[in-house]
Amino acid sequence: EVHLEESGGDLVQPGGSLRLSCAASGFMFSSYWMSWVRQAPGKGLEWVANIKQDGSEEYYVDSVKGRFTISRDNAKKSVYLQMNSLRVEDTALYYCARVVGVVRMWWFDPWGQGTLVTVSS
Amino acid sequence: SYVLTQPPSVSVAPGKTARISCGGKDIGSKSVHWYQQKPGQAPVVVIYYDGDRPSGIPERISGSNSGNMATLTISWVEAGDEADYYCQVWDSSSDQGVFGGGTKLTVL
Repeated sequence: EVHLEESGGDLVQPGGSLRLSCAASGFMFSSYWMSWVRQAPGKGLEWVANIKQDGSEEYYVDSVKGRFTISRDNAKKSVYLQMNSLRVEDTALYYCARVVGVVRMWWFDPWGQGTLVTVSS
Repeated sequence: SYVLTQPPSVSVAPGKTARISCGGKDIGSKSVHWYQQKPGQAPVVVIYYDGDRPSGIPERISGSNSGNMATLTISWVEAGDEADYYCQVWDSSSDQGVFGGGTKLTVL
């Protein structure tokens, strides 16, 4: 069974940093792009970042460019999101998701259960 | 950046048909995917590539896409269909994922 489990969410002050992790199991991790998607409390879904199978390509939503970095370790079957210069508006439940489909016609399946990041003073 | 527009809410009686729209400029030229999210749960894909269903998704859930509008159709609506629904595309011009704002489906 394909399974994704996020961790690392916490309460952090504005301007602070946090690193999220996502452990994958049940599929050939190194063969898939991976993604982070977030959902602010009571709000809709927002795609955050994608990373290619070998880590050679990364894409980001404009609002996190220069502040967030997605990375992966295929040996550990894990994907990470390093978040720096955090803002109150980054407060959200962060989901890890597998990227599937034809290149640039992608969708996300499955999703983990999410890890909560709260940015507040 | 590319924008997808969904109605905030749709209400339908049990046994009737619900249609949830997703508008975007020339969305018919893109592949549209749809997710169902129930309270406290992660999203689950119910339609991919405009109209394909993953295994386990009933045939009464279907999708279409043409021109500037994609539509998710749920026939014979049941109480268990009550959820938030999101459309999604990949915008190749910016290489970014895009979600619609979501539609809350209420079963009366």
